[in-house]
Amino acid sequence: DTAVSQTPKYLVTQMGNDKSIKCEQNLGHDTMYWYKQDSKKFLKIMFSYNNKELIINETVPNRFSPKSPDKAHLNLHINSLELGDSAVYFCASSQGGQLEQYFGPGTRLTVT
Amino acid sequence: GEDVEQSLFLSVREGDSSVINCTYTDSSSTYLYWYKQEPGAGLQLLTYIFSNMDMKQDQRLTVLLNKKDKHLSLRIADTQTGDSAIYFCAESGGSYIPTFGRGTSLIVHP
Repeated sequence: DTAVSQTPKYLVTQMGNDKSIKCEQNLGHDTMYWYKQDSKKFLKIMFSYNNKELIINETVPNRFSPKSPDKAHLNLHINSLELGDSAVYFCASSQGGQLEQYFGPGTRLTVT
Repeated sequence: GEDVEQSLFLSVREGDSSVINCTYTDSSSTYLYWYKQEPGAGLQLLTYIFSNMDMKQDQRLTVLLNKKDKHLSLRIADTQTGDSAIYFCAESGGSYIPTFGRGTSLIVHP
């Protein structure tokens, strides 16, 4: 009965590879987000989708491409991984117009 | 400097009160939040306060806001070992997209 789930939980890969992280929410929310928490623990918004439409796109390299096949899913694809992409990536969801966001458990990405 | 600053660690004895402090820079902040993250889990909204309030109490939690000094605090009364977690301070405008601090690790020891 997990509200916001992410897969995988851990991802170790080499520089230059392409990888995807998946996120699903079963709360019926219409808005989903991706956040990045770097090694210094700064947690920053990357993208936000509302009803499958991109509404926030912070300054993120275009190697990062979010995809929302439906309102319950927001996946993050990363091309040509770099060492600096190593971080914990959190997915979250909310109902539009509501303040509270519900977070997934995070995906720890390590690029070697 | 950082937009939202908080100390990284706090250690308290079980049964004592914990006070976690936070400062922020955006004077137009509308909402101030406290999120809790337990090991292996995502962030969970604990409480929030509107910028036109100066205090909010919810059971063992008391949030104090000094808007003039842009200072937010979270007091946990009668701290228990189950309160051990990372506590994130955050602020947002009307878009509800939070800007987070780096989190304060609260360690509760017997």
